Amino acid sequence: GESVGLHLPTLSVQEGDNSIINCAYSNSASDYFIWYKQESGKGPQFIIDIRSNMDKRQGQRVTVLLNKTVKHLSLQIAATQPGDSAVYFCAENFSSNDYKLSFGAGTTVTVRA
Amino acid sequence: KAGVTQTPRYLIKTRGQQVTLSCSPISGHRSVSWYQQTPGQGLQFLFEYFSETQRNKGNFPGRFSGRQFSNSRSEMNVSTLELGDSALYLCASSPGDTRGYGYTFGSGTRLTVV
Repeated sequence: GESVGLHLPTLSVQEGDNSIINCAYSNSASDYFIWYKQESGKGPQFIIDIRSNMDKRQGQRVTVLLNKTVKHLSLQIAATQPGDSAVYFCAENFSSNDYKLSFGAGTTVTVRA
Repeated sequence: KAGVTQTPRYLIKTRGQQVTLSCSPISGHRSVSWYQQTPGQGLQFLFEYFSETQRNKGNFPGRFSGRQFSNSRSEMNVSTLELGDSALYLCASSPGDTRGYGYTFGSGTRLTVV
């Protein structure tokens, strides 16, 4: 599979490979994180979330890893499919009395046939 | 259950005009948040409403305002439109009683200011 250590704005993946999308979050007090997928012409679609009391969570073909020490979040997609081509955003929610999400810059994933 | 509904989907306005966008949240959700998405700035938080009260506001000028009705539907208004207000405006609904949980986005309203 392909992976990047730092956040990159684009990622090209061969169909069937695993892909890893990275995100650095800004606030050490954030305690809730979400990954969204946005396809052209649509709003962000929820993929998976994780709370700060966990370091890993798995969904269907996706895994989110949280490293609070370095404020890093990653999304792993297994067996990447053409339908996975989209922009992926990580979002964080601060732990204070805050009801908003702060979004990362996004990574555009292109799946090669 | 029905998702988040935003109307209209597309809008073209002239600089100086004002515009009102609407968002109907998922049934039972009491929180509605608004975000502006542009290629340069990404997704930026505008404001959040819960039970008709604004709980959070982002760093946008006073030309951007919003409100929420008793049925949880929300509107946002932009007055004296500028070219830079061209963007995709997204709303997200959530139950609202648990912070940071279950944000579901609508498909957005694409606003073009000419």
